[in-house]
Amino acid sequence: DSGVTQTPKHLITATGQRVTLRCSPRSGDLSVYWYQQSLDQGLQFLIQYYNGEERAKGNILERFSAQQFPDLHSELNLSSLELGDSALYFCASSVASRNTEAFFGQGTRLTVV
Amino acid sequence: AQSVTQLDSHVSVSEGTPVLLRCNYSSSYSPSLFWYVQHPNKGLQLLLKYTSAATLVKGINGFEAEFKKSETSFHLTKPSAHMSDAAEYFCVVSHSYGGSQGNLIFGKGTKLSVKP
Repeated sequence: DSGVTQTPKHLITATGQRVTLRCSPRSGDLSVYWYQQSLDQGLQFLIQYYNGEERAKGNILERFSAQQFPDLHSELNLSSLELGDSALYFCASSVASRNTEAFFGQGTRLTVV
Repeated sequence: AQSVTQLDSHVSVSEGTPVLLRCNYSSSYSPSLFWYVQHPNKGLQLLLKYTSAATLVKGINGFEAEFKKSETSFHLTKPSAHMSDAAEYFCVVSHSYGGSQGNLIFGKGTKLSVKP
């Protein structure tokens, strides 16, 4: 158990819908990362927050948004869902924003039908 | 700019034989390097990390990696493979600034198969 909690574990939704994925980082960690993993694209970095502020932005679609709240949990919002958004979404956390390892949650498997 | 190259996309070994997963990195300064393992439909688990202390790093489950600055390599080894080692392994370099990849740069992964 990494100490990073992601909910829900599985999510099935229809195209065009909006979903919210939630992540609770390890106790004491200030940085949160979001990644998308699919068979064709592999592991893709989406976005990183540190202590509530956006620190780095990757290949995150405009339909996707994220935030980190004062209690340090983070949410990833996915809207106008398409079939191609079906993937595993991972959250990770680290104590610092750089030069440090990250600990990964078990992921949320999103299936868009 | 930092980058990571995992030299093999797939490695197959027999149970009980040594494992070698190769990783080369590019970094403009002394990096922090990590290996992660991912079993099917699971999250990524940290195997080991190098952060400029000893060049030979021991990790969990009998894995170790050696940092070789002259070769810019950080290969992962295990003396004797177990069936439970079958998974995908990611080499990662961490650097100081964000950007389109964030501060963690992932290799493309190496799938390890272990034959009975």
